[in-house]
Amino acid sequence: QTVVIQEPSVTVSPGGTVTLTCASSAGAVTSGFYPNWFQQKPGQAPRALIYSTSNKHSWTPARFSGSLLGGKAALTLSGVQPEDEADYYCTLYYGGAQVFGGGTKLTVL
Amino acid sequence: QITLKESGPTLVKPTQTLSLTCTFSGFSLSTNGVSVGWIRQPPGKALEWLALIYWDDDKRYSPSLKSRLTITKDTSKNQVDLTMTNMDPVDRGTYFCARSVGSRWMDYWGQGTLVTVSS
Repeated sequence: QTVVIQEPSVTVSPGGTVTLTCASSAGAVTSGFYPNWFQQKPGQAPRALIYSTSNKHSWTPARFSGSLLGGKAALTLSGVQPEDEADYYCTLYYGGAQVFGGGTKLTVL
Repeated sequence: QITLKESGPTLVKPTQTLSLTCTFSGFSLSTNGVSVGWIRQPPGKALEWLALIYWDDDKRYSPSLKSRLTITKDTSKNQVDLTMTNMDPVDRGTYFCARSVGSRWMDYWGQGTLVTVSS
């Protein structure tokens, strides 16, 4: 089964910029995998941030952006805030099924 | 306002079948492009996508769990059910349902329901 790969943990300073990536064991990620990004804080349900690579939901803060970068999907946070500390998950679409990545724990320090 | 809420047993015995219901409001599962799916999360671990049902009754399952899962919908009741057979302690976790519209996957989520598998 296809595996979606994310960095296990990333640390960023407040006000900094960080990019999280989402790779596929099957090869390069393209827009056809419809990358989606989610944020999850402890004890809460996930919250959708980005869909179809780079589209923001109405509630997504402007500092979050999605893209394709070097064969991977990417989530960039610019001007990181303390409240951005959370787990971030991507999903990729494989012919009708969604596969979540293992998640990235973002620490703001 | 779109809401989803999961319901079902909090405790099941090993080998039993788990039955969960997602009750939603604020949208219709008869609308073109809409789907409702299930996702689970073992304590302290990553999210795992389980299954999805579309407005036209098309169904999709995780390949690794396909033999154990059944997803159905009752459009008139605004409900989606998930059954998982042969439950095992490793199936313990929080089970979420979520709405999708086209490629806007899982834009709205329920709060989740914790399921424990123990004799």
